[in-house]
Amino acid sequence: DTAVSQTPKYLVTQMGNDKSIKCEQNLGHDTMYWYKQDSKKFLKIMFSYNNKELIINETVPNRFSPKSPDKAHLNLHINSLELGDSAVYFCASSQDQGPSAYNEQFFGPGTRLTVL
Amino acid sequence: SQQGEEDPQALSIQEGENATMNCSYKTSINNLQWYRQNSGRGLVHLILIRSNEREKHSGRLRVTLDTSKKSSSLLITASRAADTASYFCATDISNFGNEKLTFGTGTRLTIIP
Repeated sequence: DTAVSQTPKYLVTQMGNDKSIKCEQNLGHDTMYWYKQDSKKFLKIMFSYNNKELIINETVPNRFSPKSPDKAHLNLHINSLELGDSAVYFCASSQDQGPSAYNEQFFGPGTRLTVL
Repeated sequence: SQQGEEDPQALSIQEGENATMNCSYKTSINNLQWYRQNSGRGLVHLILIRSNEREKHSGRLRVTLDTSKKSSSLLITASRAADTASYFCATDISNFGNEKLTFGTGTRLTIIP
């Protein structure tokens, strides 16, 4: 059973289009995240949600809009795609959030987005 | 700038040798975590060390943490070809419930059979 799954795995699209990436976790976790990994492998957090509530928004352009219909899902919608949006996007989840010493994160396999 | 930076950026060793990677960070942390990323895959959690711990072991992995120097090291003993991957440290600097992991730049480890 896949713990954190993302679809699609690859996404190739033209500049200016709108696209969505879906993420689901079956771990019963309360917190979910979106990360962006650039071509140099630098991984940066974009958003986090706890029980469907937005907790972290790391100065991401408002073309990126996360949506959490329930605590097991966190989707990422991107409007007006730009060349610089090309990257690998990872979804992750953790049991809870807060200053706890046990918040390891479980990552999905990633979605490679290529904007032409 | 990044919270964590790994050193070296790339490391190649013979199978069976030990591999050591270092991570430096800038601000006080709650815990520090190490993750592995195989090519084309997501990150996998390896080990978590709390700010009040100095050393932790898990199988062939040994992690140390020196909060006075704001640094950590990951030692992989008796390396295997399957250990070939990128390794990232991540610092948890959550405050008042806003937990956030900040990842370092990664060390690309290659094990030569």
